[in-house]
Amino acid sequence: SYELIQPPSVSVSPGQTASITCSGNKLRDKDASWYQQKPGQSPVLVMYQDDKRPSGIPERFSGAHSGNTAILTISGAQAMDDADYYCQAWDSNSEMFGGGTKLTVL
Amino acid sequence: QITLKESGPKELKPTQTLTLTCTFSGFSLSTSGVGMGWIRQPPGKALEYLALIYWDDDKRYSPALKSRLTITKDPSKNQVVLAMTNMDPVDTATYYCVHSGPYSSSFEYWGQGTLVTVSS
Repeated sequence: SYELIQPPSVSVSPGQTASITCSGNKLRDKDASWYQQKPGQSPVLVMYQDDKRPSGIPERFSGAHSGNTAILTISGAQAMDDADYYCQAWDSNSEMFGGGTKLTVL
Repeated sequence: QITLKESGPKELKPTQTLTLTCTFSGFSLSTSGVGMGWIRQPPGKALEYLALIYWDDDKRYSPALKSRLTITKDPSKNQVVLAMTNMDPVDTATYYCVHSGPYSSSFEYWGQGTLVTVSS
């Protein structure tokens, strides 16, 4: 079965840059989306079609796609960015989510 | 303004069928390319895709759960319904209703989620 692999955790100091990766076979042929989820809240779309930011998402969030890896980058991370992040892409006729990455800003 | 709200039972016993309703506003499910679906999240675990239904009644199910899921829509009532048979304690999760914009592969709008607990 298709899988999207994310690192379980990433740590970053405030003001520094954090990168979260998402890897999967044939991901090079798919659009990746990213969601941010804070405790007790519904996920929020922060990136779609690899590198497009929805309205209201800060410019410090950016996305890229290199081969079979999608990358979410947070430049100048802030305490408010401390959250879980999930990547998502289509496989055949089904959406798939990565296992999630806990971003710790400290 | 697009809003989604899930409703349904908070508790179920094993083997029962779960029926969840998503009532939405701010868009039409008859608009070309629009889809709505369901995603769940067990406590402390990752998101899991369940099903999507499109404006043209095309339906896409999670391969792992396809045999247990049925998704339907009633645009006139602004509702989408998910039925999941043979519930088990491992199906305990928060179930989210989601909106997929015209010909989009992402979910920009999410409901608040509803926690469903399966226990004998």
